[in-house]
Amino acid sequence: SQQGEEDPQALSIQEGENATMNCSYKTSINNLQWYRQNSGRGLVHLILIRSNEREKHSGRLRVTLDTSKKSSSLLITASRAADTASYFCATSGGSYIPTFGRGTSLIVHP
Amino acid sequence: NAGVTQTPKFQVLKTGQSMTLQCAQDMNHEYMSWYRQDPGMGLRLIHYSVGAGITDQGEVPNGYNVSRSTTEDFPLRLLSAAPSQTSVYFCASTGTGGRQTQYFGPGTRLLVL
Repeated sequence: SQQGEEDPQALSIQEGENATMNCSYKTSINNLQWYRQNSGRGLVHLILIRSNEREKHSGRLRVTLDTSKKSSSLLITASRAADTASYFCATSGGSYIPTFGRGTSLIVHP
Repeated sequence: NAGVTQTPKFQVLKTGQSMTLQCAQDMNHEYMSWYRQDPGMGLRLIHYSVGAGITDQGEVPNGYNVSRSTTEDFPLRLLSAAPSQTSVYFCASTGTGGRQTQYFGPGTRLLVL
């Protein structure tokens, strides 16, 4: 079964707005990663947050991790049409092999 | 560095045929894995390897075999293709310790008729 589950499954916003996606997981983790996938393409790594970290930033991306609630969120600020993609969270335990959720489909309207 | 490469990009098989999907990485990563992606299902782990000579099953291993004779290569074999194996297959590699970012290949689209 898939470890992480993203919420919402689909998100539609206007350019310039912020987009927030959430991920919940079931078991303890070493790290949590967020990936982006453009239609028909491979996955691109966005950011990794370790289990002892609470927040990380990368450009317009902000990721938080709450291990007590087993949840993470990805915030994309000032979204652009080019941010339209599917976003996946992936959790890793001792094996370093990530387990993926089903993803959030983000559409940013120009 | 080429990163993670996969061949072929696209393949059509008939039910019962066998084939091997190739995957190679040039980053000296210890860990490699194969996923399949179906609509609405995200990525599901098929098999993975934590080093040359060591492989293990993931979430959906049935119908697939793997081997890891070198650090660089991790081929996925379909022994007798079935329509249920129509999917997009991604290979990935991961370092350990401070290099835990997973790098993905471009994918192989497989259609089984």
